[in-house]
Amino acid sequence: GEDVEQSLFLSVREGDSSVINCTYTDSSSTYLYWYKQEPGAGLQLLTYIFSNMDMKQDQRLTVLLNKKDKHLSLRIADTQTGDSAIYFCAQGDDYKLSFGAGTTVTVRA
Amino acid sequence: KAGVTQTPRYLIKTRGQQVTLSCSPISGHRSVSWYQQTPGQGLQFLFEYFSETQRNKGNFPGRFSGRQFSNSRSEMNVSTLELGDSALYLCASSPGGSSSYNEQFFGPGTRLTVL
Repeated sequence: GEDVEQSLFLSVREGDSSVINCTYTDSSSTYLYWYKQEPGAGLQLLTYIFSNMDMKQDQRLTVLLNKKDKHLSLRIADTQTGDSAIYFCAQGDDYKLSFGAGTTVTVRA
Repeated sequence: KAGVTQTPRYLIKTRGQQVTLSCSPISGHRSVSWYQQTPGQGLQFLFEYFSETQRNKGNFPGRFSGRQFSNSRSEMNVSTLELGDSALYLCASSPGGSSSYNEQFFGPGTRLTVL
């Protein structure tokens, strides 16, 4: 979507941390989301962050939000082969989400 | 609970035909949203239904339409198919109601190919 931008590709070694970045334009969204899509599957919600928060940690996932710069990032600690997928950041309210183009994460041994 | 189901999973049509896709939301969910996913345009919001009423609409031509039934199942229809309509069509369900938190549970999608 034109309102949300992400880098397209990320290659990471197994066991390292992955950081996926996203910028957005609509500062009015109450929540921002990270979704994961594996081949042949729909989207799975990984985590979300309330727009008034700076950081949220959920097991291996850490979300950082810089509201001033409209920048959102997702860090995956100890990246595993099962983390290979496309990751989408999304924003929106009222059941109408705008998605970024998706970042394809490839985990190499 | 069973997840969101979409039928059919794969569909091949020719230009000019019409197609109907079906989505069954998670039991108890009343909101159903539809998205189109293409390599060029990414994921784009089509429309959202709640209690049989279209509540939100994206920027798609009138060839794209939908409806929702009293059991919350939803269908979307595309008439006069064009090559550019080839895409993965994703349906998502949510509990619905008034909330700014919009966790949407996605189905596996219907892969439509237009020849």
